[in-house]
Amino acid sequence: NAGVTQTPKFQVLKTGQSMTLQCAQDMNHNSMYWYRQDPGMGLRLIYYSASEGTTDKGEVPNGYNVSRLNKREFSLRLESAAPSQTSVYFCASSEDGGRGPYEQYFGPGTRLTVT
Amino acid sequence: AQTVTQSQPEMSVQEAETVTLSCTYDTSESDYYLFWYKQPPSRQMILVIRQEAYKQQNATENRFSVNFQKAAKSFSLKISDSQLGDAAMYFCALGRGSNYKLTFGKGTLLTVNP
Repeated sequence: NAGVTQTPKFQVLKTGQSMTLQCAQDMNHNSMYWYRQDPGMGLRLIYYSASEGTTDKGEVPNGYNVSRLNKREFSLRLESAAPSQTSVYFCASSEDGGRGPYEQYFGPGTRLTVT
Repeated sequence: AQTVTQSQPEMSVQEAETVTLSCTYDTSESDYYLFWYKQPPSRQMILVIRQEAYKQQNATENRFSVNFQKAAKSFSLKISDSQLGDAAMYFCALGRGSNYKLTFGKGTLLTVNP
């Protein structure tokens, strides 16, 4: 049981390049999330997916797109990277049903630098 | 909109002592949940403790306990018998019952001195 996995762990991009951050969970969770973490800012929600086939914007969605490929996988795409997107990106998942929200389980993070 | 405020950017404690981290929040919801997450230098986010707003009893997990004051919208974390492994960034988070998004505070960096 690997929990939440993210690839890559580190990435350096040049301004204008594109890339996709991959996330997968093996806990059969319906809900998945993408956050970014910047110094002094805590974690801010970029996008989330309450179930397979649905996605919604979070607090800071500009410059990003997401795809909920299936129940296990939720990817984050930067179409044209900018230095302001230099950050640590976390994927998370949670179960749902009954009374929520439940605990979110986090991946190990991806450190992205845009030069 | 809901907000979470952690007013202490940094705290330090001596090993074996007790420390309290502060968190205040604002929400118009009556059904909500509060969390404390720990982030050690490894970057991994780890749930420390969870409190449901409809429960009056304060949550405890071993050396970790909370002081939940609903009327004051305060949710502090007490760490007893602090250990070197407790050194980390601690985040307070708020979630509403109607969806599963969490709002995080900016964090408190805890240093444990031997």
